[in-house]
Amino acid sequence: EAQVTQNPRYLITVTGKKLTVTCSQNMNHEYMSWYRQDPGLGLRQIYYSMNVEVTDKGDVPEGYKVSRKEKRNFPLILESPSPNQTSLYFCASSSPGLGVVFGPGTRLTVL
Amino acid sequence: GNSVTQMEGPVTLSEEAFLTINCTYTATGYPSLFWYVQYPGEGLQLLLKATKADDKGSNKGFEATYRKETTSFHLEKGSVQVSDSAVYFCALRRRVTGNQFYFGTGTSLTVIP
Repeated sequence: EAQVTQNPRYLITVTGKKLTVTCSQNMNHEYMSWYRQDPGLGLRQIYYSMNVEVTDKGDVPEGYKVSRKEKRNFPLILESPSPNQTSLYFCASSSPGLGVVFGPGTRLTVL
Repeated sequence: GNSVTQMEGPVTLSEEAFLTINCTYTATGYPSLFWYVQYPGEGLQLLLKATKADDKGSNKGFEATYRKETTSFHLEKGSVQVSDSAVYFCALRRRVTGNQFYFGTGTSLTVIP
């Protein structure tokens, strides 16, 4: 089944403790991205990647890092999480001409 | 710049009522336009799309027409069901930037029996 998977689905952590949210897609898509969803703000893009070793900032990149060492994986890294990063995070992938396929979401709470 | 503006919700309708969710966009060039739906507790799923002016996207009884003259892509359904309760996102994709999407803030729809 064509899909985007994310792990973990739920995470509660404390301020300053580094964490990584993994994202993997099995559709051989070139383009992958991370979004955060907050009430009243909709979806905002954090980072995107147009292919392996090619990443760029989206609209709200502060406090986040990403890497794209393999085509299928696009992890999101929070080096020092803060409470304002409490949010619902979605990974997504796509190819030119296609719509975006979203992962199931990761609900992160930073205390 | 590029942006998408949706009507603010929440929207509450009775079953079998007519639905319109307005969406307008700002973009350079000729974007593709999309509607995504998010059911409670789930990720976003593609509902329909249109890639050029005057195209009509349709799926599951929903329709939206790409109107270049009014820069709009309003979502409509003639008779909503309780199962249509969800959050709906309008989005655009600019071809010149490859595959970068811009989303609206989402409109929450609740359909009551």
